[in-house]
Amino acid sequence: SQTIHQWPATLVQPVGSPLSLECTVEGTSNPNLYWYRQAAGRGLQLLFYSVGIGQISSEVPQNLSASRPQDRQFILSSKKLLLSDSGFYLCAWSVLAGVTDTQYFGPGTRLTVL
Amino acid sequence: AQSVTQLDSHVSVSEGTPVLLRCNYSSSYSPSLFWYVQHPNKGLQLLLKYTSAATLVKGINGFEAEFKKSETSFHLTKPSAHMSDAAEYFCVVTEGRGFKTIFGAGTRLFVKA
Repeated sequence: SQTIHQWPATLVQPVGSPLSLECTVEGTSNPNLYWYRQAAGRGLQLLFYSVGIGQISSEVPQNLSASRPQDRQFILSSKKLLLSDSGFYLCAWSVLAGVTDTQYFGPGTRLTVL
Repeated sequence: AQSVTQLDSHVSVSEGTPVLLRCNYSSSYSPSLFWYVQHPNKGLQLLLKYTSAATLVKGINGFEAEFKKSETSFHLTKPSAHMSDAAEYFCVVTEGRGFKTIFGAGTRLFVKA
């Protein structure tokens, strides 16, 4: 069966510090991968998605970047964090089956920028 | 263009009573529709999905949803609420590829003892 891991689970960082969040998927090959942010009191915002190694699409211009160095690894980064980067970050994977692309989510990382 | 509207931001029910969480969608194509549940500080868990097969979809934990094309609705129901059902629920629509997924704003379900 497929599993998705995210780490760390929680993170407190000062403004201006760098960020690296990691997501890995097991039990599937060539998945689509996604990074979402869920800010307090707001819905889910798609930040990045990837359909293959080195292929990253950004949905919203921002202070963050993403990379996919391996098939089942997706990394979210920032060189200098802003207060507005605080939130709950979710990684998800999917594999297109027929016409349906069902996304499965990881446990999330709670980021607090102080 | 596709969109999804969850008609209630909060729903409160008593334990053992029915649950109804309402969702309306719009889509230019034949959409796939999903319901996810999120407990505090957890990821989203898939409850059920509609993918143009049977219009009544059964999911985990006793939840089900009915796709009504004429009403463009995909309401989530459960006959009897349990305390553990207290969480936030998201209605989701997608037109094929995952990056074309739209999430509803969420409905927070409260269950009173």
